Amino acid sequence: GAVVSQHPSWVICKSGTSVKIECRSLDFQATTMFWYRQFPKQSLMLMATSNEGSKATYEQGVEKDKFLINHASLTLSTLTVTSAHPEDSSFYICSARVAGGTYNEQFFGPGTRLTVL
Amino acid sequence: AQSVTQLDSQVPVFEEAPVELRCNYSSSVSVYLFWYVQYPNQGLQLLLKYLSGSTLVKGINGFEAEFNKSQTSFHLRKPSVHISDTAEYFCAVSRNSGNTPLVFGKGTRLSVIA
Repeated sequence: GAVVSQHPSWVICKSGTSVKIECRSLDFQATTMFWYRQFPKQSLMLMATSNEGSKATYEQGVEKDKFLINHASLTLSTLTVTSAHPEDSSFYICSARVAGGTYNEQFFGPGTRLTVL
Repeated sequence: AQSVTQLDSQVPVFEEAPVELRCNYSSSVSVYLFWYVQYPNQGLQLLLKYLSGSTLVKGINGFEAEFNKSQTSFHLRKPSVHISDTAEYFCAVSRNSGNTPLVFGKGTRLSVIA
């Protein structure tokens, strides 16, 4: 099946620094990638939809200047958490939608655990 | 907009017993329905999906789900669970057209007891 990778799998950073998370579709092209955030023991909350070559669409309440998303190619999207604070600590998961798919099949990455001290 | 309700936050069950995890959805348009499993500190793995056609859908690891349009439900079942089925299970819905994201339920923690 289609494989999506995320890097890093976990990261610890100091408050005020920026962290970049990469999401790659390894064996397929993804015109659309989604970024989710998951708090402990809770569901996935969609943060933004990233389309290759265009600006990301952010969900209500998500600060676009804080969570910068770049989808520069059909296989790579990045999420940068700028000036991270402890409340940004969370599990971030991306998913990639197969280009030209007949239905909304998404493949999920393994997630990135961010801890801000 | 679509929404998903998973009625049980936790379901404990003994090994080799049957289990049903409940999922109800709300939508004004036709939808696709999904069940995902998440093991600790991992991403989501697709168990099964309903797109169209037969309302009984079979997935991986012996799971199946039945789409009931009149009751707007998509309950997940397995006739005999194993310890390795212990995980978090998410029901999700999306519109059946366009480039739309998934909307997830809050999840059900399945704990299989030896």
